[in-house]
Amino acid sequence: ETGVTQSPTHLIKTRGQQVTLRCSSQSGHNTVSWYQQALGQGPQFIFQYYREEENGRGNFPPRFSGLQFPNYSSELNVNALELDDSALYLCASSVGADTQYFGPGTRLTVL
Amino acid sequence: QKEVEQDPGPLSVPEGAIVSLNCTYSNSAFQYFMWYRQYSRKGPELLMYTYSSGNKEDGRFTAQVDKSSKYISLFIRDSQPSDSATYLCAMTRNTDKLIFGTGTRLQVFP
Repeated sequence: ETGVTQSPTHLIKTRGQQVTLRCSSQSGHNTVSWYQQALGQGPQFIFQYYREEENGRGNFPPRFSGLQFPNYSSELNVNALELDDSALYLCASSVGADTQYFGPGTRLTVL
Repeated sequence: QKEVEQDPGPLSVPEGAIVSLNCTYSNSAFQYFMWYRQYSRKGPELLMYTYSSGNKEDGRFTAQVDKSSKYISLFIRDSQPSDSATYLCAMTRNTDKLIFGTGTRLQVFP
């Protein structure tokens, strides 16, 4: 059984650019949640996708958007990057509202 | 006031010690409580999952939930250097959006 995978591992962007992060859910999981973890903080919920539909959103601006594909993999897109967007972005997959299992994360640095 | 409060530590203990990690919360609607372990620059790994009040034991780990006091704990017995990590408590009403504490950094020295 393959766990949650994320790509890329690291990414460096400059302010104003756009970025796309990718997540492959664990086999059999149909729900993907995205979290942002700033240095020294706990993860903050961005949004969740269930069967290709957004199923809840945290307190993040519209420039954070996402997609879920028919194979339940997902993308997180961030437009107009700001310095404060520098963080570890975590993807978690689950079967519906069951326990969430996290991937290794993508570390984004915005210069 | 944050919904979930967790002492950031760091907590430094000798090998073999019993470790107690704690979180308090303000939202009485939380029903599901989790503890995740996160090694440096890695994703969180689920350690314990508890529904409502009570105790749950798994090997050297025991999770306690006291909903009347809005207080949860994780105990680690016979701590090992490999337990050195950040421990995150998380909770939710209905297992969709997880609300995390800030994490407690634990160091177990030989």
